[in-house]
Amino acid sequence: DTEVTQTPKHLVMGMTNKKSLKCEQHMGHRAMYWYKQKAKKPPELMFVYSYEKLSINESVPSRFSPECPNSSLLNLHLHALQPEDSALYLCASSSPGRLKETQYFGPGTRLLVL
Amino acid sequence: AQSVTQLDSQVPVFEEAPVELRCNYSSSVSVYLFWYVQYPNQGLQLLLKYLSGSTLVKGINGFEAEFNKSQTSFHLRKPSVHISDTAEYFCAVCDLGIIQGAQKLVFGQGTRLTINP
Repeated sequence: DTEVTQTPKHLVMGMTNKKSLKCEQHMGHRAMYWYKQKAKKPPELMFVYSYEKLSINESVPSRFSPECPNSSLLNLHLHALQPEDSALYLCASSSPGRLKETQYFGPGTRLLVL
Repeated sequence: AQSVTQLDSQVPVFEEAPVELRCNYSSSVSVYLFWYVQYPNQGLQLLLKYLSGSTLVKGINGFEAEFNKSQTSFHLRKPSVHISDTAEYFCAVCDLGIIQGAQKLVFGQGTRLTINP
């Protein structure tokens, strides 16, 4: 099983709402990633968790708050977002400690902020 | 930091014709290189990767790529394309020396491959 699942598939939220994106994998991977992808652009790395610890925060605004409650789950909590945060949010996972490993991507959550 | 340049933002091709999508990377040291495909409204799927060894790498769906160290290139090729190959293709390099226990990919800007009947 090489599947990364993400919920919800689509999300519409207002600028005052609080919502969460969820990512799950059961491949035993201990590195998990959040990316943001705008239309016609490559994915941009936001956060990396390694062994459930945050190892990279790419200067992401605090209105995005990641959480890794266990080795299979990764959440992204959203609060007071701006319209420019509308994008496809991708989750990925890989085996840690080995740069040769493939990152497996989920299908993404398409977020629209009104 | 490493960087990746995909020279063509869009490539239109007729069905059953050959195609080459170009990718150049910046690093002169050892690199790990990847090609990912993104079909409409989907996540990214690995096509192939170069880690070491043979410079010709074969991937899924009939794609292959050739690693050329002297030209710092990793071009993707397919001898005969199908309508179903219409997608966005991303070349990526693994940024070495970063992060313990995780991998940072640096992506090119992407090439939109459109197959016309």
